[in-house]
Amino acid sequence: AQSVAQPEDQVNVAEGNPLTVKCTYSVSGNPYLFWYVQYPNRGLQFLLKYITGDNLVKGSYGFEAEFNKSQTSFHLKKPSALVSDSALYFCAVRALNDYKLSFGAGTTVTVRA
Amino acid sequence: GAVVSQHPSWVICKSGTSVKIECRSLDFQATTMFWYRQFPKQSLMLMATSNEGSKATYEQGVEKDKFLINHASLTLSTLTVTSAHPEDSSFYICSAQREGPEQFFGPGTRLTVL
Repeated sequence: AQSVAQPEDQVNVAEGNPLTVKCTYSVSGNPYLFWYVQYPNRGLQFLLKYITGDNLVKGSYGFEAEFNKSQTSFHLKKPSALVSDSALYFCAVRALNDYKLSFGAGTTVTVRA
Repeated sequence: GAVVSQHPSWVICKSGTSVKIECRSLDFQATTMFWYRQFPKQSLMLMATSNEGSKATYEQGVEKDKFLINHASLTLSTLTVTSAHPEDSSFYICSAQREGPEQFFGPGTRLTVL
């Protein structure tokens, strides 16, 4: 079975400060890892993915994430947060030999001006 | 590229009626489509997986007769909530997958059953 843990329900940061949203996963074998963002009453928007290759993945809107196999983590980061980054963020994992995505519970990010 | 649409965006219906939600991949052919349900401030729960021309695979606990899925073509899947009741009120999101592991999500449909 595969699963994702997002240990923080909420993350609050000031605009201009670094933003980190944590994610750890459990999966058999090598994982596919994803980050999505959701604004109120909207679907999920893709931010970035890890399939293979470099552990540091760069994505949309200045976000990046680092795949750490030994710690089974895939934390999302942004060096300088914007108020417009305030949203709900989901981490998701998929095993290579599976078609299902498993989502974390989500982390609400609030960036204050 | 890889745009997925859903129609309608919002729907309000009376208890006992049926509601159909469409999911379309606009600029690609989807090998597989997925239907998720999301309650307020909660994560997405996979309801079913569908492939064109074959029966959908439902997750445990999802009523097949209540949530009818038809995958008519490589670009269209529909979810029909039959005999809807207030507890079926939710946000329904579809996604589509082409070659590769990534799923592309639709904007979601808000269903309110009175």
